[in-house]
Amino acid sequence: SQKIEQNSEALNIQEGKTATLTCNYTNYSPAYLQWYRQDPGRGPVFLLLIRENEKEKRKERLKVTFDTTLKQSLFHITASQPADSATYLCALVMDSNYQLIWGAGTKLIIKP
Amino acid sequence: KAGVTQTPRYLIKTRGQQVTLSCSPISGHRSVSWYQQTPGQGLQFLFEYFSETQRNKGNFPGRFSGRQFSNSRSEMNVSTLELGDSALYLCASSGRGPRGNEQFFGPGTRLTVL
Repeated sequence: SQKIEQNSEALNIQEGKTATLTCNYTNYSPAYLQWYRQDPGRGPVFLLLIRENEKEKRKERLKVTFDTTLKQSLFHITASQPADSATYLCALVMDSNYQLIWGAGTKLIIKP
Repeated sequence: KAGVTQTPRYLIKTRGQQVTLSCSPISGHRSVSWYQQTPGQGLQFLFEYFSETQRNKGNFPGRFSGRQFSNSRSEMNVSTLELGDSALYLCASSGRGPRGNEQFFGPGTRLTVL
């Protein structure tokens, strides 16, 4: 069956450390993978997109990797800050019908 | 550019009633997608409209329907409300369809069914 999984438990990280979030999928062949941030009571906000032929993408303190062999994407926040605390969602974009398939999200808590 | 707007922001209905939610996308965006978000189920795709045509549809019953107008504004309707329909309903717009492109989300409509 098709699945997309993110760490279901909250991730607690000390301020200043690197936070790493995981997105695993099975039985999908996405053309793209997106990462979003969602704060309580608000809609998700787009952070980064990575294409299937890209291994890594960076934006300021954020880095995303995409391994189509392992069917996994890793999302890193370096020098983490309490303001980075939020839920982070990954979404696969299918090339066939443009539909996004969403993970359930991982809650990240950065402790001062 | 103004962001995605959704109205109303909060809504309380009773079982059996019907509800219409509205979404105005970012100017120039032709794709509008609707999602249901609940704590237990995460973000569930309802449907996507592009240039007034439904392009994709999720696995929701026929009680959930939508439409898009020529100005790209979209509405979704839920008929015969059930308690389980209580959720945050999010609308997202995209410039060229969601393929690879970022989704811009509105603040959502919080629907409570009593």
